[in-house]
Amino acid sequence: EAQVTQNPRYLITVTGKKLTVTCSQNMNHEYMSWYRQDPGLGLRQIYYSMNVEVTDKGDVPEGYKVSRKEKRNFPLILESPSPNQTSLYFCASSPYRGSTNEKLFFGSGTQLSVL
Amino acid sequence: GENVEQHPSTLSVQEGDSAVIKCTYSDSASNYFPWYKQELGKGPQLIIDIRSNVGEKKDQRIAVTLNKTAKHFSLHITETQPEDSAVYFCAASKSNTGKLIFGQGTTLQVKP
Repeated sequence: EAQVTQNPRYLITVTGKKLTVTCSQNMNHEYMSWYRQDPGLGLRQIYYSMNVEVTDKGDVPEGYKVSRKEKRNFPLILESPSPNQTSLYFCASSPYRGSTNEKLFFGSGTQLSVL
Repeated sequence: GENVEQHPSTLSVQEGDSAVIKCTYSDSASNYFPWYKQELGKGPQLIIDIRSNVGEKKDQRIAVTLNKTAKHFSLHITETQPEDSAVYFCAASKSNTGKLIFGQGTTLQVKP
């Protein structure tokens, strides 16, 4: 089944304790992206990657890191989490054929709470 | 950069009525406008999209209209059903960029 898989589904942590949220897709998509969803603010883009070893900042990259060492995986790293990073996080992927924007496939989300 | 404003934030309709959600965007170079539906506990799913060379697109009970001059686009749902109840997001982007900017979301409630 074609899908984007995020883990974990729920995560509670404490301020300053490094964590990684994993994201994997099995559709051979070039493009992957991370979003955070907060009430009243919609989905805000954190980082995106247009291909292996290529990553760029979205609108809210502060406090986050990503890597794209292989096509299928795009982990989100919080080196020193803070309470304002408590949010619902979504990973997404897309075929991104050439310059044309295409449909995004979203994972099921990771609910993160930083105490 | 691009900014997308979405209205209303909540919308309640009776089953069978129509629902309209509106979005405005700021970057006149944007040329791709998707709409996503998010059901409770799930990730958003694309329901319809439109590109800037088209003014209107329909898919059964769902339609999207685009006014490039005014920089706004709208989602129209006719004959609403309880299963249409969800959060809807509009978005905008332009070619050769990886940025897709979402609106704030609209919670649609369809009352039986």
